[in-house]
Amino acid sequence: KAGVTQTPRYLIKTRGQQVTLSCSPISGHRSVSWYQQTPGQGLQFLFEYFSETQRNKGNFPGRFSGRQFSNSRSEMNVSTLELGDSALYLCASSSTSFWDEQFFGPGTRLTVL
Amino acid sequence: QKEVEQNSGPLSVPEGAIASLNCTYSDRGSQSFFWYRQYSGKSPELIMSIYSNGDKEDGRFTAQLNKASQYVSLLIRDSQPSDSATYLCARSGAAGNKLTFGGGTRVLVKP
Repeated sequence: KAGVTQTPRYLIKTRGQQVTLSCSPISGHRSVSWYQQTPGQGLQFLFEYFSETQRNKGNFPGRFSGRQFSNSRSEMNVSTLELGDSALYLCASSSTSFWDEQFFGPGTRLTVL
Repeated sequence: QKEVEQNSGPLSVPEGAIASLNCTYSDRGSQSFFWYRQYSGKSPELIMSIYSNGDKEDGRFTAQLNKASQYVSLLIRDSQPSDSATYLCARSGAAGNKLTFGGGTRVLVKP
């Protein structure tokens, strides 16, 4: 079974731009969660989507948004990029249930200049 | 107080020895617990999940959960140089699939 895939793997943007990251979960998994990892803050939860609905949301500003499609693929968008948005963005997929195991994709490394 | 706390390390262990990693959490509503391994420059890889009090073994890894003491641990037996990585403890609670991570413990296994 193929794992979680994320595209692109690397991105370089400048302040003020916006960016869209994509995630395809493991086949059959309907929950997709997004996390941000930085050296200073560690791994932090952004949001979770299940059946095209946002089920959970972390403490990030409204510049961070996401969506999920009917095939469970998910995208996250960051508008008006700031230098502090430079991070590794990770997508994790899990099956239907709450508290289930989550499997991470390889991540997208975003650098904001 | 952070929700999930881990000693940042590094935890240095000789090859073949047991590495013992600890994690404490503050939310008594926590339902499930996970250990991830993360190599430098890579994404986290799930090692173990544990949901009820007691021990759970998988190969060289044993996870231990004590909800009364709000404590989770991971033992790595017969440590190998390839086990050198950062180990992340995570929990999820009533909010479902939202994982809260500790800062991670860096483990160095010396040949």
